[in-house]
Amino acid sequence: AQKVTQAQTEISVVEKEDVTLDCVYETRDTTYYLFWYKQPPSGELVFLIRRNSFDEQNEISGRYSWNFQKSTSSFNFTITASQVVDSAVYFCALSEAGDDMRFGAGTRLTVKP
Amino acid sequence: DTGVSQDPRHKITKRGQNVTFRCDPISEHNRLYWYRQTLGQGPEFLTYFQNEAQLEKSRLLSDRFSAERPKGSFSTLEIQRTEQGDSAMYLCASSPSGVENGYTFGSGTRLTVV
Repeated sequence: AQKVTQAQTEISVVEKEDVTLDCVYETRDTTYYLFWYKQPPSGELVFLIRRNSFDEQNEISGRYSWNFQKSTSSFNFTITASQVVDSAVYFCALSEAGDDMRFGAGTRLTVKP
Repeated sequence: DTGVSQDPRHKITKRGQNVTFRCDPISEHNRLYWYRQTLGQGPEFLTYFQNEAQLEKSRLLSDRFSAERPKGSFSTLEIQRTEQGDSAMYLCASSPSGVENGYTFGSGTRLTVV
Protein backbone atom coordinates (compact mmCIF):
# COMPACT_ATOMS: atom_id res chain seq x y z
CA ALA A 1 0.00 0.00 0.00
CA GLN A 2 1.21 3.47 -0.75
CA LYS A 3 1.62 6.01 1.97
CA VAL A 4 2.85 9.59 2.22
CA THR A 5 4.00 11.17 5.46
CA GLN A 6 4.44 14.87 6.00
CA ALA A 7 5.60 14.99 9.58
CA GLN A 8 5.59 18.77 9.86
CA THR A 9 2.04 19.89 10.50
CA GLU A 10 2.83 23.59 10.69
CA ILE A 11 5.92 25.70 10.07
CA SER A 12 6.30 29.40 10.72
CA VAL A 13 9.21 31.44 9.37
CA VAL A 14 10.08 35.06 8.93
CA GLU A 15 10.27 36.47 5.44
CA LYS A 16 13.58 35.81 3.64
CA GLU A 17 14.31 32.71 5.66
CA ASP A 18 14.84 29.41 3.85
CA VAL A 19 12.45 26.60 4.72
CA THR A 20 12.35 22.90 3.90
CA LEU A 21 9.18 20.84 3.84
CA ASP A 22 9.71 17.14 4.38
CA CYS A 23 7.97 14.29 2.56
CA VAL A 24 8.57 10.59 3.13
CA TYR A 25 6.77 7.97 1.10
CA GLU A 26 6.23 4.23 1.11
CA THR A 27 5.68 2.09 -1.96
CA ARG A 28 6.43 -1.40 -3.17
CA ASP A 29 6.42 -0.39 -6.81
CA THR A 30 9.54 0.43 -8.76
CA THR A 31 7.62 2.79 -11.02
CA TYR A 32 5.85 5.67 -9.34
CA TYR A 33 5.37 9.41 -9.49
CA LEU A 34 5.80 12.03 -6.81
CA PHE A 35 4.17 15.44 -6.77
CA TRP A 36 4.03 18.64 -4.77
CA TYR A 37 0.96 20.85 -4.72
CA LYS A 38 0.34 24.23 -3.08
CA GLN A 39 -3.05 25.11 -1.60
CA PRO A 40 -3.32 28.83 -0.85
CA PRO A 41 -6.15 30.24 1.27
CA SER A 42 -8.34 30.44 -1.83
CA GLY A 43 -8.47 26.65 -1.75
CA GLU A 44 -7.40 25.69 -5.25
CA LEU A 45 -4.59 23.13 -5.45
CA VAL A 46 -1.76 24.40 -7.61
CA PHE A 47 0.60 21.91 -9.26
CA LEU A 48 4.27 22.60 -8.50
CA ILE A 49 6.29 19.62 -9.66
CA ARG A 50 6.17 16.00 -10.80
CA ARG A 51 9.00 13.53 -10.52
CA ASN A 52 9.08 9.92 -11.71
CA SER A 53 10.91 7.21 -9.83
CA PHE A 54 13.62 6.86 -12.45
CA ASP A 55 14.63 10.47 -12.32
CA GLU A 56 16.54 11.32 -9.16
CA GLN A 57 17.91 14.52 -10.49
CA ASN A 58 17.20 17.39 -8.18
CA GLU A 59 15.34 20.32 -9.63
CA ILE A 60 15.44 24.04 -9.09
CA SER A 61 12.78 26.47 -10.25
CA GLY A 62 13.42 29.99 -9.13
CA ARG A 63 13.25 30.04 -5.34
CA TYR A 64 11.90 26.48 -5.24
CA SER A 65 14.02 23.34 -5.20
CA TRP A 66 13.28 19.68 -4.72
CA ASN A 67 15.53 16.93 -3.37
CA PHE A 68 14.49 13.41 -4.37
CA GLN A 69 16.36 10.60 -2.60
CA LYS A 70 15.19 7.06 -3.28
CA SER A 71 17.60 5.67 -0.67
CA THR A 72 15.63 7.40 2.08
CA SER A 73 12.26 7.47 0.24
CA SER A 74 12.12 11.21 0.59
CA PHE A 75 11.09 14.03 -1.69
CA ASN A 76 11.76 17.26 0.18
CA PHE A 77 10.85 20.74 -0.94
CA THR A 78 12.90 23.85 -0.13
CA ILE A 79 11.82 27.44 -0.52
CA THR A 80 14.71 29.88 -0.54
CA ALA A 81 14.24 33.45 0.66
CA SER A 82 10.62 32.85 1.59
CA GLN A 83 7.98 35.48 0.92
CA VAL A 84 4.60 36.20 2.49
CA VAL A 85 2.91 34.95 -0.69
CA ASP A 86 4.41 31.52 -0.04
CA SER A 87 2.04 31.11 2.90
CA ALA A 88 -0.14 28.12 2.08
CA VAL A 89 -0.65 24.45 2.78
CA TYR A 90 1.74 22.28 0.79
CA PHE A 91 0.93 18.70 -0.11
CA CYS A 92 3.18 15.91 -1.24
CA ALA A 93 1.52 13.12 -3.24
CA LEU A 94 2.42 9.70 -4.60
CA SER A 95 0.97 7.74 -7.49
CA GLU A 96 1.77 4.14 -8.32
CA ALA A 97 0.44 2.03 -11.17
CA GLY A 98 -3.10 3.34 -10.97
CA ASP A 99 -4.37 6.71 -11.91
CA ASP A 100 -5.01 8.09 -8.45
CA MET A 101 -2.81 10.05 -6.09
CA ARG A 102 -2.28 9.47 -2.39
CA PHE A 103 -1.74 12.77 -0.63
CA GLY A 104 0.00 13.46 2.63
CA ALA A 105 -1.79 15.41 5.34
CA GLY A 106 -0.06 18.61 4.30
CA THR A 107 2.24 21.16 5.93
CA ARG A 108 0.87 24.60 6.69
CA LEU A 109 3.55 27.20 6.02
CA THR A 110 3.18 30.68 7.45
CA VAL A 111 5.64 33.31 6.34
CA LYS A 112 5.59 36.40 8.52
CA PRO A 113 6.71 39.81 7.27
CA ASP B 1 -11.48 27.85 -20.99
CA THR B 2 -8.55 28.38 -18.72
CA GLY B 3 -9.15 25.90 -15.95
CA VAL B 4 -11.36 23.39 -14.21
CA SER B 5 -14.67 24.85 -13.16
CA GLN B 6 -16.80 23.59 -10.30
CA ASP B 7 -20.30 24.58 -9.35
CA PRO B 8 -21.52 25.51 -6.82
CA ARG B 9 -18.64 26.86 -4.76
CA HIS B 10 -20.58 26.37 -1.56
CA LYS B 11 -23.57 24.22 -0.67
CA ILE B 12 -25.41 24.04 2.62
CA THR B 13 -27.94 21.28 2.90
CA LYS B 14 -30.01 19.60 5.54
CA ARG B 15 -29.20 16.08 6.59
CA GLY B 16 -31.04 13.56 4.46
CA GLN B 17 -31.22 15.72 1.36
CA ASN B 18 -29.59 14.82 -1.94
CA VAL B 19 -26.96 17.08 -3.46
CA THR B 20 -25.32 17.19 -6.88
CA PHE B 21 -22.11 18.94 -7.84
CA ARG B 22 -20.90 19.74 -11.32
CA CYS B 23 -17.39 19.80 -12.75
CA ASP B 24 -16.34 21.16 -16.13
CA PRO B 25 -12.81 20.01 -16.96
CA ILE B 26 -10.32 21.64 -19.28
CA SER B 27 -11.83 20.95 -22.68
CA GLU B 28 -9.02 18.89 -24.17
CA HIS B 29 -8.54 16.76 -21.05
CA ASN B 30 -10.06 13.30 -21.35
CA ARG B 31 -9.46 12.26 -17.73
CA LEU B 32 -11.54 13.63 -14.89
CA TYR B 33 -11.10 12.89 -11.20
CA TRP B 34 -13.10 13.45 -8.04
CA TYR B 35 -11.47 13.86 -4.63
CA ARG B 36 -12.77 14.73 -1.18
CA GLN B 37 -10.84 16.84 1.30
CA THR B 38 -11.78 17.10 4.94
CA LEU B 39 -10.44 19.74 7.28
CA GLY B 40 -6.77 19.36 8.01
CA GLN B 41 -6.28 16.47 5.62
CA GLY B 42 -5.03 15.94 2.12
CA PRO B 43 -7.40 15.13 -0.72
CA GLU B 44 -8.75 11.60 -0.83
CA PHE B 45 -9.42 9.89 -4.15
CA LEU B 46 -13.03 8.95 -4.92
CA THR B 47 -13.34 8.04 -8.60
CA TYR B 48 -12.20 8.92 -12.09
CA PHE B 49 -13.27 8.84 -15.73
CA GLN B 50 -11.55 8.46 -19.03
CA ASN B 51 -13.91 10.15 -21.44
CA GLU B 52 -17.34 8.81 -20.43
CA ALA B 53 -16.03 5.55 -18.93
CA GLN B 54 -15.79 5.37 -15.15
CA LEU B 55 -12.59 3.38 -14.66
CA GLU B 56 -12.49 3.25 -10.88
CA LYS B 57 -15.37 3.56 -8.46
CA SER B 58 -14.56 1.11 -5.72
CA ARG B 59 -13.26 3.92 -3.55
CA LEU B 60 -16.44 5.93 -3.54
CA LEU B 61 -17.17 6.28 0.14
CA SER B 62 -20.50 4.49 0.16
CA ASP B 63 -23.33 3.54 -2.15
CA ARG B 64 -24.82 6.96 -1.44
CA PHE B 65 -22.12 8.42 -3.68
CA SER B 66 -22.32 8.22 -7.44
CA ALA B 67 -20.70 10.02 -10.35
CA GLU B 68 -21.43 10.37 -14.04
CA ARG B 69 -19.79 11.82 -17.10
CA PRO B 70 -22.40 11.10 -19.72
CA LYS B 71 -20.86 12.70 -22.78
CA GLY B 72 -17.26 12.65 -21.78
CA SER B 73 -17.25 16.35 -21.01
CA PHE B 74 -18.64 17.65 -17.70
CA SER B 75 -19.20 15.36 -14.73
CA THR B 76 -21.58 15.30 -11.80
CA LEU B 77 -21.08 13.89 -8.33
CA GLU B 78 -24.23 13.08 -6.39
CA ILE B 79 -24.56 12.32 -2.71
CA GLN B 80 -27.87 10.87 -1.63
CA ARG B 81 -29.30 11.09 1.89
CA THR B 82 -26.50 13.34 3.07
CA GLU B 83 -25.03 12.90 6.53
CA GLN B 84 -23.08 15.34 8.66
CA GLY B 85 -19.94 13.34 8.00
CA ASP B 86 -20.25 14.20 4.32
CA SER B 87 -19.32 17.81 5.10
CA ALA B 88 -16.09 18.41 3.21
CA MET B 89 -14.55 20.05 0.16
CA TYR B 90 -15.20 18.09 -3.02
CA LEU B 91 -12.49 18.62 -5.58
CA CYS B 92 -12.52 17.89 -9.27
CA ALA B 93 -9.38 17.61 -11.40
CA SER B 94 -8.61 16.86 -15.01
CA SER B 95 -5.64 15.63 -16.97
CA PRO B 96 -4.83 15.20 -20.67
CA SER B 97 -3.82 11.59 -20.15
CA GLY B 98 -2.61 9.77 -17.11
CA VAL B 99 -1.54 10.84 -13.67
CA GLU B 100 2.04 11.07 -14.86
CA ASN B 101 1.24 14.52 -16.23
CA GLY B 102 -0.23 15.71 -12.97
CA TYR B 103 -3.68 17.08 -12.54
CA THR B 104 -5.24 20.51 -12.80
CA PHE B 105 -7.62 20.97 -9.90
CA GLY B 106 -10.72 23.11 -9.68
CA SER B 107 -11.50 25.37 -6.74
CA GLY B 108 -13.80 22.80 -5.20
CA THR B 109 -17.32 22.69 -3.82
CA ARG B 110 -17.56 23.09 -0.07
CA LEU B 111 -20.44 21.05 1.31
CA THR B 112 -21.88 21.70 4.75
CA VAL B 113 -24.53 19.31 6.03
CA VAL B 114 -26.56 20.70 8.92
